[in-house]
Formats: sequence, C-alpha cells, structure tokens
Amino acid sequence: DTGVSQNPRHKITKRGQNVTFRCDPISEHNRLYWYRQTLGQGPEFLTYFQNEAQLEKSRLLSDRFSAERPKGSFSTLEIQRTEQGDSAMYLCASADRSSYNSPLHFGNGTRLTVT
Amino acid sequence: EDKVVQSPLSLVVHEGDTVTLNCSYEVTNFRSLLWYKQEKKAPTFLFMLTSSGIEKKSGRLSSILDKKELFSILNITATQTGDSAVYLCAVLVQGAQKLVFGQGTRLTINP
Repeated sequence: DTGVSQNPRHKITKRGQNVTFRCDPISEHNRLYWYRQTLGQGPEFLTYFQNEAQLEKSRLLSDRFSAERPKGSFSTLEIQRTEQGDSAMYLCASADRSSYNSPLHFGNGTRLTVT
Repeated sequence: EDKVVQSPLSLVVHEGDTVTLNCSYEVTNFRSLLWYKQEKKAPTFLFMLTSSGIEKKSGRLSSILDKKELFSILNITATQTGDSAVYLCAVLVQGAQKLVFGQGTRLTINP
C-alpha cells in the first residue's frame, strides 16, 4: 500500500515566484482533492477532480492557482506569483471510485513557506 | 454556507482520563460525517458515520451521530499519551463531493 504521495515535502520560495506541487494518489482512486491547511485550522477545500475532470473549485482559489490532472492519475497544483499569505500546508487526498461514501485518504502534504 | 464547528478547541487531560470531543454542523446536503486524527502530517481516517444513533467503535475510541440535532461526538476512554493529536471532524457534502472540516480539537494527554 503506497498511500498518497506528495512532492516536495517542503518548499521555501520568495514572494513573486511560481511553485508547483505534485500529488500521486492511491492507485485506481478516481477522486482526487486538494486542500490547504494553515496553523490551528482545519483543512480548507481547494479543488476536486474525478478522473481528469476538474469538477469543483473553491471560490477561495484565486486566479493565481491552477490544478491539473491530465491523465486522471497524478495531479499538479501550481501557484503563480506567490504571496506570503500562500504559506500553508497543501494536502492532497484521494478516494475510491466504488462509493461516494468512501473516506478520503490524505498525503503528508507539501509545506510552503513564502518569504 | 456549509459550516462545521468543533469544541473544545483545546483540551489537556491526564493519562487514563476519558474525553469527549464535540462536532456540530450546518450543511445543505449532508451525506456523512468523518473523524480524522492528525498528528504531525497527514490526517488519518478514524470513523465514517452515516446513520443516526449507531455507535462506531475501534478499541478505546467510539463515535456516534445525531442527524436530528446535527452533531457528533468522539469518545476516547483510558487515554494514553499517544492519543495526543488534533482531532478533525468533517462532513461530506452530497453533490459537491467535498469534505468540509471543522477547526479541530487539539488534545494533549499528560503522563
């Protein structure tokens, strides 16, 4: 069981730079989610894919954020022109296709620090 | 707007104590309620509750859902230092297929 894998684990970048994170879901999980978590808060929903289709985006997601899942397997989350407020843990989760009641399984996250 | 509220936000107890964590919710299309434990990294799944009044149990942890009063509780008996973590409650919203999380309860178990 390889679990949900996220890379990199940590990213430090200067304000204004672009960053890209990668998520490899559990094999054959067709649902993939991105969440953002800041200190002392629960995860906030960012976006959701079913296979390669991006079915929902949070209104929290500004135009600087874009996510893709080109072949319905791994996904990338890109943040352009990073701001200090983007500093957070970015969590990816995947879920089984068999039932919409199957729980989400989370990766260990990518911790972004914008200086 | 869908909302999940947990209480207390923080709890410190001694090893061996029993704790009850609370979760209330207001969502438009409820499908199920989930509890996760988060230590330093990924939230790990504990329970999923879909029906009222049916207790789910795993070792010293148990949870129950009340869909009429829109809340759930998570009980931990005979707490151990390894139970120290943030416990997250989340509601799966139908249609949108997304989890809406509460702020979490930070539980600290002192030896």
